[in-house]
Amino acid sequence: KNEVEQSPQNLTAQEGEFITINCSYSVGISALHWLQQHPGGGIVSLFMLSSGKKKHGRLIATINIQEKHSSLHITASHPRDSAVYICAVGSQGNLIFGKGTKLSVKP
Amino acid sequence: KAGVTQTPRYLIKTRGQQVTLSCSPISGHRSVSWYQQTPGQGLQFLFEYFSETQRNKGNFPGRFSGRQFSNSRSEMNVSTLELGDSALYLCASSLSTGQSYNSPLHFGNGTRLTVT
Repeated sequence: KNEVEQSPQNLTAQEGEFITINCSYSVGISALHWLQQHPGGGIVSLFMLSSGKKKHGRLIATINIQEKHSSLHITASHPRDSAVYICAVGSQGNLIFGKGTKLSVKP
Repeated sequence: KAGVTQTPRYLIKTRGQQVTLSCSPISGHRSVSWYQQTPGQGLQFLFEYFSETQRNKGNFPGRFSGRQFSNSRSEMNVSTLELGDSALYLCASSLSTGQSYNSPLHFGNGTRLTVT
């Protein structure tokens, strides 16, 4: 079993829809990161969380330390949000990645 | 402020050769970490350097090594290349000083290595 599990693996949405991507982990963590990767490889850091909730524009990230679970929400999705979203946890000096969620937003 | 710069962008090597990749962090960032990304395994952590010292290491063979210079620039080296080393190699820098990964990561665009 992977230490970091993301769901769903693939997600297709219509423009304007509310999107949720989930991340569950089984290890003790110092922080959790949400990353966005566009075709071509470039990775952008969206959020770093150790507790609670953060919001940036149309993006919201939450984390529940007791339940070892985090969610990334995208409100009013847009085709430019199409990308792979990756959850990663810092644990004992290692950064452990989920397999990613491939999001496609159709106009 | 300039972002994280990785060179070269693309590299083709043959089995048995060695390769050195370079990463220049954002000015003021002292933590540099390296990652391997393949279609099969996804993203995997290689190692992290802070103030010229390897602070953490992932589960990769000793053929993978790295170092960090006094200006925080980092290099990673892969010796005796194998076909399976073909991957996108990414580095990231951060302001993290104490515990690793407690600051946002800033990634370079990566070096795509092909081993033939």
